[in-house]
Amino acid sequence: QQQVKQSPQSLIVQKGGISIINCAYENTAFDYFPWYQQFPGKGPALLIAIRPDVSEKKEGRFTISFNKSAKQFSLHIMDSQPGDSATYFCAANSGGWGGGNKLTFGTGTQLKVEL
Amino acid sequence: EAQVTQNPRYLITVTGKKLTVTCSQNMNHEYMSWYRQDPGLGLRQIYYSMNVEVTDKGDVPEGYKVSRKEKRNFPLILESPSPNQTSLYFCASSSPNFPGRLDSPLHFGNGTRLTVT
Repeated sequence: QQQVKQSPQSLIVQKGGISIINCAYENTAFDYFPWYQQFPGKGPALLIAIRPDVSEKKEGRFTISFNKSAKQFSLHIMDSQPGDSATYFCAANSGGWGGGNKLTFGTGTQLKVEL
Repeated sequence: EAQVTQNPRYLITVTGKKLTVTCSQNMNHEYMSWYRQDPGLGLRQIYYSMNVEVTDKGDVPEGYKVSRKEKRNFPLILESPSPNQTSLYFCASSSPNFPGRLDSPLHFGNGTRLTVT
């Protein structure tokens, strides 16, 4: 049972272009949506995160867009660079200490930015 | 340097031979967790621990054991490994209040690639 669906599985973008990765969820109890970035041979690391009370969060070239009614959120990478080539995971968390307090990850998107 | 250390990085073993993957963190985090990463399936949680002596099953716990006798260590034990446990494994830790939250992100180790033949 995949609670967070992520697409596409892989993505090739030209240098300077916009990379867009989409995620959708079903569980309306999710209230925190982070994105993790993973370089080859490394563990994932938190990139950016959003709460559902805002529709957009921007940090540098990275932006999360959030559509609560559609239960969808996406990562936009503006002016994509070869150094952005990595695997990106969306995730969702239902919050609270104990019980369901764990992240549910999407299946990952392998991004390659070509020169 | 704040880090999560896993050992070994690579492990090749045979079916049925017990093995342990170690995980240690130096950030005094109470929350620790194990994930496996498989192509097309993403990261799936195996077990997690909220504190010393407190562990609970994640989404795919079958065939795995964990223990949390000390705050800094959270070993993953495969008592009788099978080929379907061939995977990339990650240990992660986080501060206690809201594991995985923006103010307490998950810190991952660099992974252990396990092959069971």
